[in-house]
Order: sequence, then structure tokens, then C-alpha cells
Amino acid sequence: SQTIHQWPATLVQPVGSPLSLECTVEGTSNPNLYWYRQAAGRGLQLLFYSVGIGQISSEVPQNLSASRPQDRQFILSSKKLLLSDSGFYLCAGQGAPEAFFGQGTRLTVV
Amino acid sequence: GQNIDQPTEMTATEGAIVQINCTYQTSGFNGLFWYQQHAGEAPTFLSYNVLDGLEEKGRFSSFLSRSKGYSYLLLKELQMKDSASYLCAVREENFNKFYFGSGTKLNVKP
Repeated sequence: SQTIHQWPATLVQPVGSPLSLECTVEGTSNPNLYWYRQAAGRGLQLLFYSVGIGQISSEVPQNLSASRPQDRQFILSSKKLLLSDSGFYLCAGQGAPEAFFGQGTRLTVV
Repeated sequence: GQNIDQPTEMTATEGAIVQINCTYQTSGFNGLFWYQQHAGEAPTFLSYNVLDGLEEKGRFSSFLSRSKGYSYLLLKELQMKDSASYLCAVREENFNKFYFGSGTKLNVKP
């Protein structure tokens, strides 16, 4: 079965510090991968998607970037975090037919 | 992107039936998905429709009308554990991107 591993579960970072969130996929090869952010009490906002190694598309302009150095690895990064970057970050993969999610990272920028 | 609307919050009684509506506008429809999300957790897949009509999965059913840009999720024999947010999502033809509504928070009361 398809599984997304995402870590850490929670993270508290100071404003201006860098960020690196990583997710890895098992049970499928060359999947479409997605990063979402969810603000408190809101829906999921698509941040980035990737159809293959090195192929990243951004949905909204922001303080974040993404990379896909390996087929089953998807990384979300920032050089300098802002308070507005706080939220629940979810990595997802394209299943058949649904999107399947990792457990998420709750990021609090202080 | 997509324009996806669903009610913010609903309340229903244990044992009853509740219908959660979702309307959408899309330029390249490739499926309508419903997810359940408990507070602080990742969404879990419930049901999907790609053709018009009703799909039934146990206590959960989902309906789609592509011409009307309309779907609903029907929950029968409500249980207290069904208290959660329910997210409507549209999958776009282009790269199979998933776009989510803001979610409907369902409160099930005794």
C-alpha cells in the first residue's frame, strides 16, 4: 500500500530561521507529489506539486520553496521564516484515485 | 485554481442523517473527492465520484452532478465519532492537482 512518511510532527521555530520539512513515499514509483498548508480552521491550500525528479511547480507566491531530489523524496524549505508561515503542513501523493496524506507537521513560528 | 464552496458548520443528532453540500467551478474536472479530518490530524479519504450519480460506501454516500457543479456527502446513522470536518476536493485534469474547499465542521450531538 502507498504510504507517506512526514516529519517532524511538531516544530517551533523563531522568525528568520530556516526551515526544511521532508517527506518520503513508499509503495509507488514516480508519483505526483504535493505540499499543502492548512491554516487554523481552514481548508488545504496547495503550495507546490511535482510530477517527477527536479520538476516543481508553485501554486502561489510565497516565502517557501520545494525540491524533489529523488523520486520518492519531497522537501519543503524556507531561508527565513515569517510569522505567517505558521500552519499545518501536509505532504500528499497521487493515489488511485485519491490523494493520500502524510501525518502532517504543525509549524509554529514565534 | 478552483472555486469550491461548502457550508462552514453543521449540527446534527446522533442516529440521524446529514447531507453536506459542495459546489464547484473548474476548468478541467477530473473527479470530486470527499475527505474526513479530525482536529489535528491529516485528512482521510471517504469517497469519490468521477461520473454523475450516487456512490455508496456503507454509512457514507456521495453524489455528483457535473452539469450543475454540485456534489453532496450523505452520512447515515450518525455516530458521535463522526464529529469532524468534511472536505470537498476537486481533482483537475492538469497534473491531477487536488483543490480543497474550506471544509464543513460537523457537530454530532447526543
